Amino acid sequence: AQSVAQPEDQVNVAEGNPLTVKCTYSVSGNPYLFWYVQYPNRGLQFLLKYITGDNLVKGSYGFEAEFNKSQTSFHLKKPSALVSDSALYFCAVRDDSNNAGNMLTFGGGTRLMVKP
Amino acid sequence: SAVISQKPSRDICQRGTSLTIQCQVDSQVTMMFWYRQQPGQSLTLIATANQGSEATYESGFVIDKFPISRPNLTFSTLTVSNMSPEDSSIYLCSVESRAGELFFGEGSRLTVL
Repeated sequence: AQSVAQPEDQVNVAEGNPLTVKCTYSVSGNPYLFWYVQYPNRGLQFLLKYITGDNLVKGSYGFEAEFNKSQTSFHLKKPSALVSDSALYFCAVRDDSNNAGNMLTFGGGTRLMVKP
Repeated sequence: SAVISQKPSRDICQRGTSLTIQCQVDSQVTMMFWYRQQPGQSLTLIATANQGSEATYESGFVIDKFPISRPNLTFSTLTVSNMSPEDSSIYLCSVESRAGELFFGEGSRLTVL
């Protein structure tokens, strides 16, 4: 079975400071990992993904995420936060093993609050 | 990325009634999904909408409650039947790209009184 955990319900950061939103996962095969952002009253927007290759993945709006196999983590990062980054962030995982199907499992979400 | 349009964007419904949500994609896609996001919660997969055959439902979701149609590769509907206040949620249509990413519609926010 696949699962994903976002241990923080909310992350607060001052504008201009670096931000990290944590995500850990569990799969039986190899993970496909994703980050999505949800602004108020909107659907989810794709930010970035890790399938294979470089552990550091760069995505939209200056975000990046680092895949760490030994720690089974895929934390989202940005060097300098903007107030407009304030939103709900979801980590998601898919197991690439044959019996996992196409199901994407989402974490519980982390609300990012960037204060001026 | 695909452009996904959902209708209605929001609705307020009475208990016991049914509502059908439409999802239109601007290109042909193989994989199409319906998710539910309950207030303050994460996303839960309801079902995979299969073109030309019955939808594949996840555990806890049944066809009688959430009938799904997928007449072609660009369109799907989800009906929420015999609604109760517990069905108040955002319902999201999503499609999978060839690169394996999921793209989402803006969602349909349903409030059941």
